[in-house]
Amino acid sequence: EAGVAQSPRYKIIEKRQSVAFWCNPISGHATLYWYQQILGQGPKLLIQFQNNGVVDDSQLPKDRFSAERLKGVDSTLKIQPAKLEDSAVYLCASSLGASISGANVLTFGAGSRLTVL
Amino acid sequence: TQLLEQSPQFLSIQEGENLTVYCNSSSVFSSLQWYRQEPGEGPVLLVTVVTGGEVKKLKRLTFQFGDARKDSSLHITAAQPGDTGLYLCAGDPAGNKLTFGGGTRVLVKP
Repeated sequence: EAGVAQSPRYKIIEKRQSVAFWCNPISGHATLYWYQQILGQGPKLLIQFQNNGVVDDSQLPKDRFSAERLKGVDSTLKIQPAKLEDSAVYLCASSLGASISGANVLTFGAGSRLTVL
Repeated sequence: TQLLEQSPQFLSIQEGENLTVYCNSSSVFSSLQWYRQEPGEGPVLLVTVVTGGEVKKLKRLTFQFGDARKDSSLHITAAQPGDTGLYLCAGDPAGNKLTFGGGTRVLVKP
């Protein structure tokens, strides 16, 4: 099966500019996640969608970050205006739901690396 | 303070040596997952441990879930350069929200 697709892979912008990232999850995966991974750290959940509804966006900086998942398939994550501390890799992941063991298994895309100058 | 603390943060060893990575928490988890992430790629799931005290083996990798389901370890026997990467543990203590540890960066030198 095709994996999780993300674009662009790399983006360099200046602070106060805007940027958008796109994610296409695995077909049939109802749950979609956006994680932020700062260099040298583990991924941090920004937002989680179940179909086209938001399940958790408690760690999304809503004054500058927004995300949507229209029609419950593709998703976009936008940052406007960007700050220096937004430099990170933005990972999209999708999941079918809990496995037999009860654990939620995520499949990640390769990520979009953002550099804010 | 992170929910999941990983140690060490960085490990550099020679090919053929053994290594152990730890993942600790004060919270109880119904399951813990281990991922490996290579440069320029997203994390890839290695294993999920579910039962307290459980041991799972994946070739030269051995994963253990603590009896109290608060900690886990990953042991690599006879490490190879292909084992180089960022090892991440992840858990979901309450509901459907996977939280990651800070990661352990492993470098295996030939």
